[in-house]
Amino acid sequence: GNSVTQMEGPVTLSEEAFLTINCTYTATGYPSLFWYVQYPGEGLQLLLKATKADDKGSNKGFEATYRKETTSFHLEKGSVQVSDSAVYFCALGSGAGSYQLTFGKGTKLSVIP
Amino acid sequence: GAGVSQTPSNKVTEKGKYVELRCDPISGHTALYWYRQSLGQGPEFLIYFQGTGAADDSGLPNDRFFAVRPEGSVSTLKIQRTERGDSAVYLCASKISGVSETQYFGPGTRLLVL
Repeated sequence: GNSVTQMEGPVTLSEEAFLTINCTYTATGYPSLFWYVQYPGEGLQLLLKATKADDKGSNKGFEATYRKETTSFHLEKGSVQVSDSAVYFCALGSGAGSYQLTFGKGTKLSVIP
Repeated sequence: GAGVSQTPSNKVTEKGKYVELRCDPISGHTALYWYRQSLGQGPEFLIYFQGTGAADDSGLPNDRFFAVRPEGSVSTLKIQRTERGDSAVYLCASKISGVSETQYFGPGTRLLVL
C-alpha cells in the first residue's frame, strides 16, 4: 500500500537558518505529492504541491522537488522565520484527482529568535 | 469566504455511547472527506463523498463508523458504541472536483471517549 515517511521531530532552528525536512514515499503508479502545514491553533493548510516527476512546488519561500528516482519530496527553506513554527506534513495523493491523501506523521518545527 | 466548519469543536463522551460529528463544507464543493488524526500521527483517510454518495469508504475502521451526506452538502460522521481507542481529532475536508487537487480542511472535532 501507499506510505509516507518523514523526518521525525521536533526540529528547533534559529531564525534565518536553513531548513530541510526529509520525506520519502512508497506508492504504486504516479501519485501527486503535497506538503501541508498546521500552525498552532489552526487547521491543516496546503503549503505546496507537485503533480509529476521533476516538478518543483514552491510557496512562501518553501520549495520541494518531486524526485521519482529517489521517491522523495524533501521540503526546504533558505531562511526560516519565527512565524514558520508549525507542524509540517508530507502527503501523497492517490486515486482520481488525488482524492485519497496518505500523510506522514508530521514534523514539528520551532524557530527561535 | 467561509471555510470548512466542524461542530462541535470538542466532544467528551463515555464508552459505549453514540456520537455524531458534523461537517459543513465550503459552498459549491462537491467532494467531501473525513480523516482521523490520532495523537502524534498524521491524518488517516476514512471516507470520501462525491455528491451524496460515498465513493470510497475503505478507510472506515469497522461497522461502528458510518457517514452520510444526504443533500450533497453537510455531512455527519456517526460512531456507535464508542471505545476509548476512538479518541482522536476528526478532520473534514472539501474540494471542487475536477478543477483542483487541493483539499481544504476544517479545524477538526476533538473526540475524547472516557
